[in-house]
Amino acid sequence: QQQVKQSPQSLIVQKGGISIINCAYENTAFDYFPWYQQFPGKGPALLIAIRPDVSEKKEGRFTISFNKSAKQFSLHIMDSQPGDSATYFCAARGGSSNTGKLIFGQGTTLQVKP
Amino acid sequence: NAGVTQTPKFQVLKTGQSMTLQCAQDMNHNSMYWYRQDPGMGLRLIYYSASEGTTDKGEVPNGYNVSRLNKREFSLRLESAAPSQTSVYFCASSTGLAGFNEQFFGPGTRLTVL
Repeated sequence: QQQVKQSPQSLIVQKGGISIINCAYENTAFDYFPWYQQFPGKGPALLIAIRPDVSEKKEGRFTISFNKSAKQFSLHIMDSQPGDSATYFCAARGGSSNTGKLIFGQGTTLQVKP
Repeated sequence: NAGVTQTPKFQVLKTGQSMTLQCAQDMNHNSMYWYRQDPGMGLRLIYYSASEGTTDKGEVPNGYNVSRLNKREFSLRLESAAPSQTSVYFCASSTGLAGFNEQFFGPGTRLTVL
């Protein structure tokens, strides 16, 4: 039972372009939405995260946009660089009924062409 | 600090064999997790340990057992390996389940079951 749906599965962007990855969720009890970045052969690492009481969070070239009414959130990578080539996972943290556990999306493999 | 370490990095098993994946963290974290990563499926939680002395099932626990040996170590055991358990296994840790705590991942164990 996949509660977080991520798209696209793969994405190719030119250097300097904008990369956009989307996620949708069903459970309104989710209360924390992190994005993890994973390079080949490595474990995932936290990139940026947002709580549902804000609509946007920006850290450098990375921005999360959050739409609570639509139950959707997205990651925007501005001025994409070849070093951003990695797999990106969105996730959602359960609320009181599922405290602390993260449910991950399917992942998006991003390739930034020089 | 080494963070989260996992052994072995690679393993090939025959169907029916057993093995234990080891995980240790040196960050004094209370909570530890085992995930499996399969193409197109994202990261799925197998078992977790909210604190030393406790373990609980995640999304895909069948065929696995865990032991929280002490605060630092959390092992995953496959009693009778099956080809469906071919995957990349990640261990992670966090300060705790309560709150919006980052999960730190190990480098993974790539397991092939023939």
